[in-house]
Amino acid sequence: AQTVTQSQPEMSVQEAETVTLSCTYDTSESNYYLFWYKQPPSRQMILVIRQEAYKQQNATENRFSVNFQKAAKSFSLKISDSQLGDTAMYFCAFSGGGGADGLTFGKGTHLIIQP
Amino acid sequence: GAVVSQHPSRVICKSGTSVKIECRSLDFQATTMFWYRQFPKKSLMLMATSNEGSKATYEQGVEKDKFLINHASLTLSTLTVTSAHPEDSSFYICSARDSQGKSGVEQYFGPGTRLTVT
Repeated sequence: AQTVTQSQPEMSVQEAETVTLSCTYDTSESNYYLFWYKQPPSRQMILVIRQEAYKQQNATENRFSVNFQKAAKSFSLKISDSQLGDTAMYFCAFSGGGGADGLTFGKGTHLIIQP
Repeated sequence: GAVVSQHPSRVICKSGTSVKIECRSLDFQATTMFWYRQFPKKSLMLMATSNEGSKATYEQGVEKDKFLINHASLTLSTLTVTSAHPEDSSFYICSARDSQGKSGVEQYFGPGTRLTVT
């Protein structure tokens, strides 16, 4: 079974700063996907970014980028130029079976962007 | 695109009754849907995988006779909580995988259903 660990329960930064959320995982699979999801107070889960394990290049989506270290089983999320709307719970998630399996989530990091 | 709806958004039921939650993919076909449970201030936990036309696969520790899942069409999966008890009170979230989408692996989430059992 796989596990996902997020060691930062809460983080707070000033608007426009850059923040990095950490995530480590453990798996014996070789074909998997990693995701970061955002859950605002509305509780709607929103996909932020995804990374395929076979791709060495780190994924980027506008202000969001990841640092994927496969050997270290690390998958951190960097948010640049943080905005007030980025305030939310952020969950790191793993999907095995080439991405076909259900998601295993970390415990989440509550990110607060201060004005 | 890739919208998933859930109904109802909130439900209150009495202990011992059953409640059904619907999950629909509105603009794509989903051969696979997933059901998650989220306790207050906690993470999501996968309960089961729902495949169209076949039996659901339940995660370890999830009672299949208590949480009945039916995936009768490519756009609809239902979760029925049978003989509900207060400890079943939780936030239930479904997701649908768009196998024809950009990556074929992304799961799109419904807005969730808050179940309160009194």
